[in-house]
Amino acid sequence: AQSVSQHNHHVILSEAASLELGCNYSYGGTVNLFWYVQYPGQHLQLLLKYFSGDPLVKGIKGFEAEFIKSKFSFNLRKPSVQWSDTAEYFCAVNQLGYGGSQGNLIFGKGTKLSVKP
Amino acid sequence: NAGVTQTPKFQVLKTGQSMTLQCAQDMNHNSMYWYRQDPGMGLRLIYYSASEGTTDKGEVPNGYNVSRLNKREFSLRLESAAPSQTSVYFCASSGHQLGQGNSPLHFGNGTRLTVT
Repeated sequence: AQSVSQHNHHVILSEAASLELGCNYSYGGTVNLFWYVQYPGQHLQLLLKYFSGDPLVKGIKGFEAEFIKSKFSFNLRKPSVQWSDTAEYFCAVNQLGYGGSQGNLIFGKGTKLSVKP
Repeated sequence: NAGVTQTPKFQVLKTGQSMTLQCAQDMNHNSMYWYRQDPGMGLRLIYYSASEGTTDKGEVPNGYNVSRLNKREFSLRLESAAPSQTSVYFCASSGHQLGQGNSPLHFGNGTRLTVT
């Protein structure tokens, strides 16, 4: 079965530390890739997306992600985190051409990020 | 511009009771979705509607029904609630059917449902 893996369940960092959250998927075809963020008590919001072109994607609030096709990875990075980045982060992969009108968007289980002030 | 609006925000039900979660979007999106979010499980798709007049099962449809009332509205119904349905429910919409266009999901604020 197709899957999206986020290897870290909970990451704890101090302010100004660098962040990298891993995301790997198992589908070998063409994909669209997303990172969503969920701040405490809120709904999911799109952080960034990759459809095609430059594999280094820049999103909101200083986040970026790099698509490495050979590694089936789409890791999220931020050079210097802030307390306000405390949230849960979800990677999602849309498998194009998988079949069915849904297109099969699969979410990872999420990574909780706690940033200590 | 409200985006995706869900009601209610909170609900407590007793086992066996029924209820309908309402969702409406004002972005003229074709596709709408219902997800449930449980700790450590991420988001799981319950049902979706690729376009007005169509609905299809997602990953976890058992115990739920849906109605795509019109292009704006997509409701989720629990006919006989069970404790296993205690969860946070999110409605979402997108401009294109996933996989057929470059359109991310826009989420509502969620409904926190507790079944006792």
